[in-house]
Amino acid sequence: DAKTTQPTSMDCAEGRAANLPCNHSTISGNEYVYWYRQIHSQGPQYIIHGLKNNETNEMASLIITEDRKSSTLILPHATLRDTAVYYCIVLGRDDKIIFGKGTRLHILP
Amino acid sequence: EAGVVQSPRYKIIEKKQPVAFWCNPISGHNTLYWYLQNLGQGPELLIRYENEEAVDDSQLPKDRFSAERLKGVDSTLKIQPAELGDSAVYLCASSFVAGSTGELFFGEGSRLTVL
Repeated sequence: DAKTTQPTSMDCAEGRAANLPCNHSTISGNEYVYWYRQIHSQGPQYIIHGLKNNETNEMASLIITEDRKSSTLILPHATLRDTAVYYCIVLGRDDKIIFGKGTRLHILP
Repeated sequence: EAGVVQSPRYKIIEKKQPVAFWCNPISGHNTLYWYLQNLGQGPELLIRYENEEAVDDSQLPKDRFSAERLKGVDSTLKIQPAELGDSAVYLCASSFVAGSTGELFFGEGSRLTVL
């Protein structure tokens, strides 16, 4: 079973920041938080991952709470091309990458 | 740099027929995965290879599914015979990092329809 809980769907206006939450209250100290997304008719695409510090790359920012029980993926300026299913995954070394149902993000024009 | 290449992109067969999917991972990626994705669901791992060795095939239905990765590069996933419930997208992924952690690169998938 997936170790995370995400909202089923979210809407965000184009040009605004999209904030996607994820709960992972049972995360252990050596487990990472990974985010992937899947655009329609494509395979999943890696976005970002982190352990306990906030992370940023060219695609997104990842904010992990101090207790590590939840995190937020931030797309700073959402575009229509960001419409996708976003998966939050908790992963320890040698774990299987288990995808849940993710959050279906709709970017509205 | 070429990504993960899968073929065929689409396949329609009648039940009880065999079908095979091919995957060419990114050059230098030693770890290869096959995932199954049903409509509206997240991908589910079928099998993971480290080079030519299947290190995790616990979710592969071995009565009808088989996979191989000869020479530790390309891989083939076969279903024989196919059933109606096998209609899904079959995704191949590869990674450079040994083990199942790290960044996975996925192909576009092979969509199977069983009639």
